[in-house]
Amino acid sequence: EDQVTQSPEALRLQEGESSSLNCSYTVSGLRGLFWYRQDPGKGPEFLFTLYSAGEEKEKERLKATLTKKESFLHITAPKPEDSATYLCAVRSGGSQGNLIFGKGTKLSVKP
Amino acid sequence: GAVVSQHPSRVICKSGTSVKIECRSLDFQATTMFWYRQFPKQSLMLMATSNEGSKATYEQGVEKDKFLINHASLTLSTLTVTSAHPEDSSFYICSAPTTTNYGYTFGSGTRLTVV
Repeated sequence: EDQVTQSPEALRLQEGESSSLNCSYTVSGLRGLFWYRQDPGKGPEFLFTLYSAGEEKEKERLKATLTKKESFLHITAPKPEDSATYLCAVRSGGSQGNLIFGKGTKLSVKP
Repeated sequence: GAVVSQHPSRVICKSGTSVKIECRSLDFQATTMFWYRQFPKQSLMLMATSNEGSKATYEQGVEKDKFLINHASLTLSTLTVTSAHPEDSSFYICSAPTTTNYGYTFGSGTRLTVV
């Protein structure tokens, strides 16, 4: 069964304190691992898509990496505006095209 | 490009009534629409997949007679929650695959509260 597990469930950081979020997955034929940001009461906002182990992508203070079993979202010198829930999702070869989501990591960055 | 407009953003209804949620693709044709439900501190869970001009496919445990999905055109998919009960209170989100590098575009979500 395809599964996505994110840790930690919640993370509190001071402004400027770098850290990483983890996404572990088991999937039958990975066809993409997606990272989204979700603000309260809003739909997910696209951040990155990774397709193969070793791939890395960066955007401002965020960097996503992928291995055969997990992905990391590294946040460098976060700011309060980075506070949000970060969702990881996978598309498997066995799906009908839908994404399978983890529960998310709620990030709070204090000034 | 590839925008999905979802309405309403919030709705409060009385127990036993029905509520319709609309998702419109504004600048592309959405042949497929995924409908998700999200409970607090939980994942987005796929409820059903709708394809234009055909019957929706529901995930196990989702009542198709309660959650009516219509995808009659390439730009509009609707989810109707019939005879709503408090346990149906949740955040409903639609999503469509796109050819952009995003892969998928999401609606802004509908917060349904049944009282």
